[in-house]
Amino acid sequence: GAGVSQSPSNKVTEKGKDVELRCDPISGHTALYWYRQRLGQGLEFLIYFQGNSAPDKSGLPSDRFSAERTGESVSTLTIQRTQQEDSAVYLCASSLKTGNQPQHFGDGTRLSIL
Amino acid sequence: GENVEQHPSTLSVQEGDSAVIKCTYSDSASNYFPWYKQELGKRPQLIIDIRSNVGEKKDQRIAVTLNKTAKHFSLHITETQPEDSAVYFCAARAGANSKLTFGKGITLSVRP
Repeated sequence: GAGVSQSPSNKVTEKGKDVELRCDPISGHTALYWYRQRLGQGLEFLIYFQGNSAPDKSGLPSDRFSAERTGESVSTLTIQRTQQEDSAVYLCASSLKTGNQPQHFGDGTRLSIL
Repeated sequence: GENVEQHPSTLSVQEGDSAVIKCTYSDSASNYFPWYKQELGKRPQLIIDIRSNVGEKKDQRIAVTLNKTAKHFSLHITETQPEDSAVYFCAARAGANSKLTFGKGITLSVRP
Protein backbone atom coordinates (compact mmCIF):
# COMPACT_ATOMS: atom_id res chain seq x y z
CA GLY A 1 0.00 0.00 0.00
CA ALA A 2 0.97 3.66 -0.04
CA GLY A 3 3.66 4.86 2.31
CA VAL A 4 3.79 8.00 4.41
CA SER A 5 3.16 11.01 2.21
CA GLN A 6 4.35 14.52 2.99
CA SER A 7 3.63 17.80 1.26
CA PRO A 8 4.99 20.02 0.02
CA SER A 9 8.27 18.28 -0.80
CA ASN A 10 10.04 21.65 -0.85
CA LYS A 11 9.06 24.99 0.61
CA VAL A 12 10.93 28.26 0.28
CA THR A 13 9.59 31.20 2.21
CA GLU A 14 10.64 34.52 3.61
CA LYS A 15 11.59 35.02 7.21
CA GLY A 16 8.58 35.94 9.31
CA LYS A 17 6.03 34.06 7.23
CA ASP A 18 3.97 31.18 8.56
CA VAL A 19 4.25 27.72 7.01
CA GLU A 20 2.12 24.61 7.22
CA LEU A 21 3.50 21.16 6.54
CA ARG A 22 1.30 18.16 5.93
CA CYS A 23 1.68 14.46 6.67
CA ASP A 24 -0.54 11.61 5.51
CA PRO A 25 0.34 8.49 7.48
CA ILE A 26 0.01 4.93 6.31
CA SER A 27 -3.63 3.87 6.50
CA GLY A 28 -4.37 2.21 9.82
CA HIS A 29 -1.35 3.65 11.59
CA THR A 30 -2.55 5.23 14.81
CA ALA A 31 0.80 6.69 15.89
CA LEU A 32 2.36 9.62 14.05
CA TYR A 33 5.67 11.37 14.69
CA TRP A 34 7.33 14.59 13.57
CA TYR A 35 11.10 15.04 13.43
CA ARG A 36 13.42 17.79 12.30
CA GLN A 37 16.69 17.05 10.54
CA ARG A 38 19.14 19.87 9.96
CA LEU A 39 21.73 19.46 7.22
CA GLY A 40 24.15 16.69 8.10
CA GLN A 41 22.60 16.19 11.51
CA GLY A 42 20.56 13.53 13.26
CA LEU A 43 16.82 13.24 13.80
CA GLU A 44 15.44 15.67 16.35
CA PHE A 45 12.11 14.57 17.87
CA LEU A 46 9.40 17.23 17.83
CA ILE A 47 6.06 15.66 18.77
CA TYR A 48 4.08 12.48 18.48
CA PHE A 49 0.38 11.66 18.27
CA GLN A 50 -1.50 8.61 19.38
CA GLY A 51 -4.77 9.02 17.54
CA ASN A 52 -5.49 12.74 17.70
CA SER A 53 -3.97 13.32 21.12
CA ALA A 54 -0.35 14.36 21.63
CA PRO A 55 1.09 12.70 24.73
CA ASP A 56 4.56 14.11 24.14
CA LYS A 57 5.15 17.60 22.82
CA SER A 58 8.47 17.95 24.56
CA GLY A 59 10.49 18.35 21.38
CA LEU A 60 8.72 21.42 20.01
CA PRO A 61 11.50 24.06 20.03
CA SER A 62 9.34 27.08 20.80
CA ASP A 63 5.76 28.29 20.95
CA ARG A 64 6.05 29.19 17.26
CA PHE A 65 5.72 25.46 16.54
CA SER A 66 2.41 23.64 16.81
CA ALA A 67 0.87 20.50 15.39
CA GLU A 68 -2.52 18.94 15.15
CA ARG A 69 -4.01 15.75 13.87
CA THR A 70 -7.47 14.94 12.69
CA GLY A 71 -8.59 11.57 13.97
CA GLU A 72 -6.09 8.93 12.96
CA SER A 73 -5.20 10.49 9.65
CA VAL A 74 -3.64 13.71 8.44
CA SER A 75 -1.40 15.81 10.62
CA THR A 76 -0.19 19.35 10.06
CA LEU A 77 2.87 20.98 11.57
CA THR A 78 2.66 24.76 11.65
CA ILE A 79 5.58 27.09 12.13
CA GLN A 80 4.67 30.71 12.78
CA ARG A 81 6.92 33.72 12.16
CA THR A 82 9.60 31.54 10.62
CA GLN A 83 13.25 32.18 11.38
CA GLN A 84 16.32 31.17 9.39
CA GLU A 85 17.23 28.55 11.98
CA ASP A 86 13.98 26.77 11.12
CA SER A 87 15.52 25.73 7.80
CA ALA A 88 15.69 21.95 7.82
CA VAL A 89 14.03 18.82 6.51
CA TYR A 90 10.88 18.01 8.47
CA LEU A 91 10.21 14.29 8.54
CA CYS A 92 7.01 12.55 9.47
CA ALA A 93 6.76 8.89 10.46
CA SER A 94 3.89 6.61 11.39
CA SER A 95 3.52 3.25 13.08
CA LEU A 96 0.71 0.84 13.80
CA LYS A 97 0.58 2.05 17.37
CA THR A 98 3.02 3.30 19.94
CA GLY A 99 5.16 0.73 21.63
CA ASN A 100 7.75 -1.37 19.89
CA GLN A 101 6.38 -0.96 16.39
CA PRO A 102 8.58 0.07 13.47
CA GLN A 103 8.24 3.68 12.36
CA HIS A 104 7.95 4.28 8.63
CA PHE A 105 9.17 7.63 7.36
CA GLY A 106 7.97 9.91 4.62
CA ASP A 107 10.31 11.71 2.22
CA GLY A 108 10.15 14.89 4.27
CA THR A 109 9.55 18.55 3.51
CA ARG A 110 12.68 20.56 2.83
CA LEU A 111 12.04 24.00 4.33
CA SER A 112 14.26 26.91 3.41
CA ILE A 113 13.83 30.28 5.09
CA LEU A 114 15.32 33.20 3.20
CA GLY B 1 15.63 11.15 29.56
CA GLU B 2 17.26 8.67 27.21
CA ASN B 3 20.59 9.55 25.63
CA VAL B 4 21.86 7.59 22.63
CA GLU B 5 25.41 7.94 21.36
CA GLN B 6 27.03 6.50 18.25
CA HIS B 7 30.71 5.91 17.68
CA PRO B 8 32.55 6.54 15.46
CA SER B 9 30.93 9.36 13.50
CA THR B 10 32.41 8.13 10.23
CA LEU B 11 33.59 4.72 9.12
CA SER B 12 35.33 3.71 5.90
CA VAL B 13 35.78 0.07 4.88
CA GLN B 14 36.93 -1.78 1.81
CA GLU B 15 34.28 -3.51 -0.26
CA GLY B 16 33.86 -7.07 0.98
CA ASP B 17 35.04 -6.30 4.51
CA SER B 18 32.77 -6.22 7.55
CA ALA B 19 31.56 -3.05 9.24
CA VAL B 20 30.54 -2.70 12.88
CA ILE B 21 28.71 0.35 14.18
CA LYS B 22 28.19 0.75 17.91
CA CYS B 23 25.64 2.62 19.97
CA THR B 24 25.30 3.17 23.68
CA TYR B 25 22.16 4.16 25.56
CA SER B 26 21.60 5.51 29.04
CA ASP B 27 18.13 4.37 30.15
CA SER B 28 18.18 0.81 31.48
CA ALA B 29 14.42 0.65 30.89
CA SER B 30 14.91 0.87 27.11
CA ASN B 31 13.57 -2.23 25.42
CA TYR B 32 13.40 -1.52 21.68
CA PHE B 33 16.36 -0.73 19.44
CA PRO B 34 15.89 -0.08 15.71
CA TRP B 35 18.50 0.77 13.10
CA TYR B 36 17.76 3.05 10.17
CA LYS B 37 19.69 3.60 6.94
CA GLN B 38 19.48 6.97 5.21
CA GLU B 39 20.94 7.46 1.77
CA LEU B 40 21.75 10.98 0.63
CA GLY B 41 18.55 12.97 0.11
CA LYS B 42 16.33 10.01 0.93
CA ARG B 43 14.06 9.05 3.80
CA PRO B 44 15.39 6.97 6.72
CA GLN B 45 14.52 3.31 6.22
CA LEU B 46 14.30 0.67 8.93
CA ILE B 47 16.81 -2.09 8.22
CA ILE B 48 16.64 -4.15 11.40
CA ASP B 49 15.39 -3.89 14.98
CA ILE B 50 15.83 -5.82 18.18
CA ARG B 51 13.87 -6.09 21.38
CA SER B 52 15.39 -6.47 24.79
CA ASN B 53 14.30 -10.06 25.23
CA VAL B 54 16.84 -11.28 22.64
CA GLY B 55 20.57 -10.79 22.35
CA GLU B 56 21.04 -11.07 18.60
CA LYS B 57 19.06 -10.88 15.40
CA LYS B 58 20.20 -11.55 11.84
CA ASP B 59 18.81 -10.74 8.43
CA GLN B 60 21.04 -11.85 5.56
CA ARG B 61 24.18 -9.67 5.68
CA ILE B 62 22.94 -7.59 8.59
CA ALA B 63 22.91 -8.46 12.28
CA VAL B 64 22.30 -6.56 15.48
CA THR B 65 23.61 -7.55 18.91
CA LEU B 66 22.42 -6.21 22.24
CA ASN B 67 24.27 -6.14 25.55
CA LYS B 68 21.78 -4.97 28.18
CA THR B 69 24.29 -5.10 31.01
CA ALA B 70 26.67 -2.75 29.25
CA LYS B 71 23.81 -0.81 27.63
CA HIS B 72 25.13 -0.99 24.13
CA PHE B 73 24.03 -2.48 20.84
CA SER B 74 25.84 -2.89 17.55
CA LEU B 75 25.04 -3.21 13.87
CA HIS B 76 27.13 -5.69 11.91
CA ILE B 77 27.27 -5.64 8.13
CA THR B 78 29.18 -8.43 6.43
CA GLU B 79 30.48 -8.53 2.84
CA THR B 80 29.96 -4.81 2.46
CA GLN B 81 29.01 -3.42 -0.93
CA PRO B 82 29.19 0.14 -2.30
CA GLU B 83 25.40 0.43 -1.98
CA ASP B 84 25.77 0.02 1.79
CA SER B 85 27.29 3.52 1.82
CA ALA B 86 24.86 5.71 3.76
CA VAL B 87 24.22 7.28 7.15
CA TYR B 88 23.13 4.77 9.77
CA PHE B 89 21.08 5.85 12.78
CA CYS B 90 20.48 3.82 15.89
CA ALA B 91 17.65 4.55 18.29
CA ALA B 92 16.26 3.41 21.61
CA ARG B 93 12.87 3.52 23.25
CA ALA B 94 12.23 3.18 26.99
CA GLY B 95 8.62 2.07 26.96
CA ALA B 96 5.44 1.66 25.00
CA ASN B 97 4.47 5.31 25.29
CA SER B 98 7.95 6.78 25.08
CA LYS B 99 9.47 8.43 22.08
CA LEU B 100 12.32 6.99 20.04
CA THR B 101 15.60 8.72 20.82
CA PHE B 102 18.01 8.69 17.88
CA GLY B 103 21.77 8.82 17.81
CA LYS B 104 23.48 11.43 15.65
CA GLY B 105 24.26 8.97 12.88
CA ILE B 106 27.35 7.36 11.43
CA THR B 107 28.44 7.86 7.84
CA LEU B 108 29.58 4.56 6.37
CA SER B 109 31.66 4.67 3.19
CA VAL B 110 32.40 1.45 1.34
CA ARG B 111 35.39 1.82 -0.98
CA PRO B 112 35.13 -0.17 -4.22
